[in-house]
Amino acid sequence: DIQMTQSPSSLSASVGDRVTITCRASQNISSYLNWYQQKPGKAPNLLIYAASSLQSGVPSRFSGSGSGTDFTLTISSLQPEDFATYYCQQSFSTPYSFGQGTKLEIK
Amino acid sequence: EVQLVESGGALVQPGGSLRLSCVASGFTFSSYEMNWVRQAPGKGLEWISYITSSGGTIYYADSVKGRFTISRDNAKNSLYLQMNSLRAEDTAVYYCARMKSLWFGEFRYSWFDPWGQGTLVTVSS
Repeated sequence: DIQMTQSPSSLSASVGDRVTITCRASQNISSYLNWYQQKPGKAPNLLIYAASSLQSGVPSRFSGSGSGTDFTLTISSLQPEDFATYYCQQSFSTPYSFGQGTKLEIK
Repeated sequence: EVQLVESGGALVQPGGSLRLSCVASGFTFSSYEMNWVRQAPGKGLEWISYITSSGGTIYYADSVKGRFTISRDNAKNSLYLQMNSLRAEDTAVYYCARMKSLWFGEFRYSWFDPWGQGTLVTVSS
């Protein structure tokens, strides 16, 4: 099974900051990596698919990069509505594992 | 509007059974692979099961294999999860999620979109 490890587990930042979240796979997953945002009490929402493709309707301040085992999600200028928990997920093979999540909090 | 609506969550005793449903609307349900993902209270996301559009191929996470059964009825635009021998550690919000895929050259990338609102299953005596 493929293990996904995110860092950091939590992060405090201010509106306007540039933020980067890292996700590492336990084996090469090419670009089979997706990113989701989840707000309290809500279902996850797709942000990025295939490592770097922006989902329709998602603001351009979100971007994804990486391939192989190391991936990043970057938010270029944090907005108040971006404070949430972020998950990476691999779709290379079942079981389709998720990272443990990164909680982004207001500083 | 593309929408998934889960139902069937409840309080159940350890060892009991429950059947969850997920009704799809706004898209051609029979053309899509579907999944169940769960989230224990205060914890992260855990994928638990996958089914192809025809129902011909099914996968499970080890944590539920032999106890849970995924199925679908394309005529009713519905996805199901039959849960037997429930344990306290199965307590979670259960989400159904459509699997969307795209070919980039020779590679087929997939992701979960959209997700339903979730239904809460509590296993406790």
